[in-house]
Amino acid sequence: DARVTQTPRHKVTEMGQEVTMRCQPILGHNTVFWYRQTMMQGLELLAYFRNRAPLDDSGMPKDRFSAEMPDATLATLKIQPSEPRDSAVYFCASAGRVIQTQYFGPGTRLLVL
Amino acid sequence: DQQVKQNSPSLSVQEGRISILNCDYTNSMFDYFLWYKKYPAEGPTFLISISSIKDKNEDGRFTVFLNKSAKHLSLHIVPSQPGDSAVYFCAASAWGGSYIPTFGRGTSLIVHP
Repeated sequence: DARVTQTPRHKVTEMGQEVTMRCQPILGHNTVFWYRQTMMQGLELLAYFRNRAPLDDSGMPKDRFSAEMPDATLATLKIQPSEPRDSAVYFCASAGRVIQTQYFGPGTRLLVL
Repeated sequence: DQQVKQNSPSLSVQEGRISILNCDYTNSMFDYFLWYKKYPAEGPTFLISISSIKDKNEDGRFTVFLNKSAKHLSLHIVPSQPGDSAVYFCAASAWGGSYIPTFGRGTSLIVHP
């Protein structure tokens, strides 16, 4: 049963700390997305990669967020320094040939105090 | 500027009745539309899609209708079941946007027994 995995599932941290979220996409999927879900904005696209190359990260605050794909089985999203307004659920998703049909992970629920 | 709008944050329906979830879009270039379903503490899962060359697509109890002239689509669930209680996201994509879907803010459906 192929699925996207994300770690950690929950993270509570203090303002100013670094946060790293990890995602393992479905094997064979070549497109990986990072989304943020908030009550106000719904599902916002932060960044996406195709064949490990970043194609669009215009949805990310560049000064504090960074996204990488060191290899085909791992995508990371880092926030440094974190702020209370970053509190949200962060989803990773991957897609194969049909890019619109995305498979989402369970999310990382982040709370920055 | 929201290109995909779900104007009803919530909907409550009796079990066995029809649930109708609505979605409006503003970008006339959108040509592929999807609905995703999300349970609490899980990531969204793909439910049903429709191409702009069609005006209806059916999959079991779920039917999506597309009205291109009104830039409106709807998801019908008949009959509604308590297990359908979830948040439903409408999404739309266009070739010009590399087919990356734009999501609405979601509608929370509650089906009462």
